[in-house]
Amino acid sequence: GPKVLQIPSHQIIDMGQMVTLNCDPVSNHLYFYWYKQILGQQMEFLVNFYNGKVMEKSKLFKDQFSVERPDGSYFTLKIQPTALEDSAVYFCASSLLGYEQYFGPGTRLTVL
Amino acid sequence: GMPVEQNPPALSLYEGADSGLRCNFSTTMKSVQWFQQNHRGRLITLFYLAQGTKENGRLKSTFNSKERYSTLHIKDAQLEDSGTYFCAASSNTDKVVFGTGTRLQVSP
Repeated sequence: GPKVLQIPSHQIIDMGQMVTLNCDPVSNHLYFYWYKQILGQQMEFLVNFYNGKVMEKSKLFKDQFSVERPDGSYFTLKIQPTALEDSAVYFCASSLLGYEQYFGPGTRLTVL
Repeated sequence: GMPVEQNPPALSLYEGADSGLRCNFSTTMKSVQWFQQNHRGRLITLFYLAQGTKENGRLKSTFNSKERYSTLHIKDAQLEDSGTYFCAASSNTDKVVFGTGTRLQVSP
């Protein structure tokens, strides 16, 4: 089936530094999402993005977070500056029409 | 309360057993997806439903938007079914809310 890729699979970073997580969505998809999962807990919605704009974001999507998809390439999640509580697995998803979502394998972010 | 309530939180089955998981929604949802998350954290999509019932092998899922629930039924459980199962419901605003998960352990 359609595949969403995420790069890198793991990222270790010092607190206060900037990190960019990359998502390569399914090629013709139009809707993009980021989710956060702390180890052993449920997945939490962060943000959805369509037509170059954030459509909806949750309380977890702090001011230090930003998303973009420049020139239709990777859909990115940038955290600047990072904090210890940002350590989690971040999942990207994409959807053609905003219905069924296809998930990537996740990026494990460790903030030291 | 929680917008998506998932039960049970944990489930132990012997191989060959049948069982079901359920998600109740506090509000009307327009669709639901069910996932299995394996021990490596990988999410495997099982079903997407906007209404009705779907079957795939030993798995069957139902979504009733009006009654605000969805179920996932596992028949003839196998060892590889072990993992954590999540429902994720999409509201009319396209925000997706995940359930708290059901940790399933299948034993020989």
